[in-house]
Amino acid sequence: LAKTTQPISMDSYEGQEVNITCSHNNIATNDYITWYQQFPSQGPRFIIQGYKTKVTNEVASLFIPADRKSSTLSLPRVSLSDTAVYYCLVGAYGGATNKLIFGTGTLLAVQP
Amino acid sequence: EPEVTQTPSHQVTQMGQEVILRCVPISNHLYFYWYRQILGQKVEFLVSFYNNEISEKSEIFDDQFSVERPDGSNFTLKIRSTKLEDSAMYFCASSFHPEEPQHFGDGTRLSIL
Repeated sequence: LAKTTQPISMDSYEGQEVNITCSHNNIATNDYITWYQQFPSQGPRFIIQGYKTKVTNEVASLFIPADRKSSTLSLPRVSLSDTAVYYCLVGAYGGATNKLIFGTGTLLAVQP
Repeated sequence: EPEVTQTPSHQVTQMGQEVILRCVPISNHLYFYWYRQILGQKVEFLVSFYNNEISEKSEIFDDQFSVERPDGSNFTLKIRSTKLEDSAMYFCASSFHPEEPQHFGDGTRLSIL
């Protein structure tokens, strides 16, 4: 499974767009990219998943460049309730394993 | 939106006692998982379960741990003889397909005294 690297923490203010970038230099052809969000004392919650280019849903966008060695989670107009830890994970389609390997994530702190 | 539910939310147990953590996965999901998170640390994979058998387990999941799907709705994690270092949040997750996103419950906080 490809190793991921993301900032330990980020600060933002309410109403701003936040972009969290994750590096995955050793991503393999079959790997996809998934982002989860975790609030204190809660389980991780799926945000978005993609393989290449851009994916958008009702809460976020995921930008993946052509070389797929990085990805950027974009949260439009964050609010205080978006303060959480955000995890970037890489997993394989059709792989032998479906376990999720979590890193330390990015702690996003949104201030008023 | 359907969700994974876990009970109890908090379990306090004496060291050496057996504990069973319970989970009700999303009803049409076929793949089930347990993870744990020691306070202040990463979420760690314990075990995955499909078609009534373990498909993968981590080094953490030793002989003291077992999983079971006793009926069509519950998925349980048993720790036979708890140790102090088993104190953690335990999360159950499920997915319809291994490539689909896993949906997590809000966990059981296990405190071993």
